[in-house]
Parts: sequence; structure tokens; C-alpha cells
Amino acid sequence: DAGVTQSPTHLIKTRGQQVTLRCSPISGHKSVSWYQQVLGQGPQFIFQYYEKEERGRGNFPDRFSARQFPNYSSELNVNALLLGDSALYLCASSPTPGHPYEQYFGPGTRLTVT
Amino acid sequence: AQRVTQPEKLLSVFKGAPVELKCNYSYSGSPELFWYVQYSRQRLQLLLRHISRESIKGFTADLNKGETSFHLKKPFAQEEDSAMYYCAPAGSGNTGKLIFGQGTTLQVKP
Repeated sequence: DAGVTQSPTHLIKTRGQQVTLRCSPISGHKSVSWYQQVLGQGPQFIFQYYEKEERGRGNFPDRFSARQFPNYSSELNVNALLLGDSALYLCASSPTPGHPYEQYFGPGTRLTVT
Repeated sequence: AQRVTQPEKLLSVFKGAPVELKCNYSYSGSPELFWYVQYSRQRLQLLLRHISRESIKGFTADLNKGETSFHLKKPFAQEEDSAMYYCAPAGSGNTGKLIFGQGTTLQVKP
């Protein structure tokens, strides 16, 4: 198993644009979490989805949204991009609902907003 | 507000020396507590959790509820321990939310 995969690896967007980031969990994992990591800081929780339902949401504006598909892959959407959205976006999957904090991370997508 | 503090951005020790990476949290209740690690050019990964009381790669973490601390310790550091370490209490409500500290870079010199 390749582990959690994310695409794209890098992308550059302009202020005001919209972006979609994608994540495929480890086979058999039904839960996906998204984090934002700004340079020099620890990851900040954005969302967790389990069985296509939002299980948790962090302190992010409504410009951030996500969804999970029947195959448990997930997309993170960010609208009306701001310069401050530039960050590494991490996806993580969890094996069981009873252990939502045992998270396996992907390599991340580096988003640059100019 | 739930908060976690890792006071040291960088901890540099010599091989064979003891290591203690500090973590303090402000919290209500009894959160689950975790340490995550990121080695150079690798993904962030779970190192250990306080519930299991295990020792992983020689590391242990002691929960002190009175001081609200969860320090990570190893008696004899190895060069391969060099990495970024994050303390991560779980958020309340079983939402899957981990609250990461700013991280401490451990540098083990030969």
C-alpha cells in the first residue's frame, strides 16, 4: 500500500481563485482528516469526515469546505483564496471510528497564493 | 481554549545524552495525548499515545495531570532520533481533531 496519497503535490493560485485538493486514504480506512500547516507552525485541524459525514470542524471560515466520496477519498475546497491560505495542506486517514486520533498522514499539497 | 505549548523550538544534544521534549497543555477534562514525529523527508507519523503506556524506539511520555504536562523522554539519544516532534492532545468531543503544538526540532549530534 502506498499509504495516503494527495494530489497535486504543488500548485500556485491567484488571490480570489478557488482550489480543490484531493486525498485518497489507505485501503480500508474510512475516516479522512484535513489539516493546514503554515510554515514554522504545527498542523491545524480543518475537518474530519467519517463515512461521508462531517465528524469535526476546526476554526476555519466557510470558504473552506470538504466532502468524502463512497470510496472514502476526499476533496478539500477553498474559495476566494487569500494570501494567508498559502500553506501545506495535509490529509490523514484513520482505520477505525473508535480511534480517530490514530492518523496516517499523506505527503501534503503545497499551495501558494500570489 | 484548548492550547498546547512546546517551549523549545530546537533541542540539541549529543549522542548518548538523555532527552526531554517538553509539552504543556491547557485543557478541561482528561484529553487523550499523543506525540507525532516527522523525520527528514518523511511523513508525519504517530510515535506514541499516553493511553497505551508503551515505549516506542526507547521513548516514553509521562502524563502529569497536576502540571498538565506530557513530556517525551529518552534516556540515551541516538542520531536517528533527529527529527521534528509534535505534542498533540486530542480535541474534545471525539471529532478526530488533534491540536498540534508548534513542534520541537531534536538535533542529536555525533
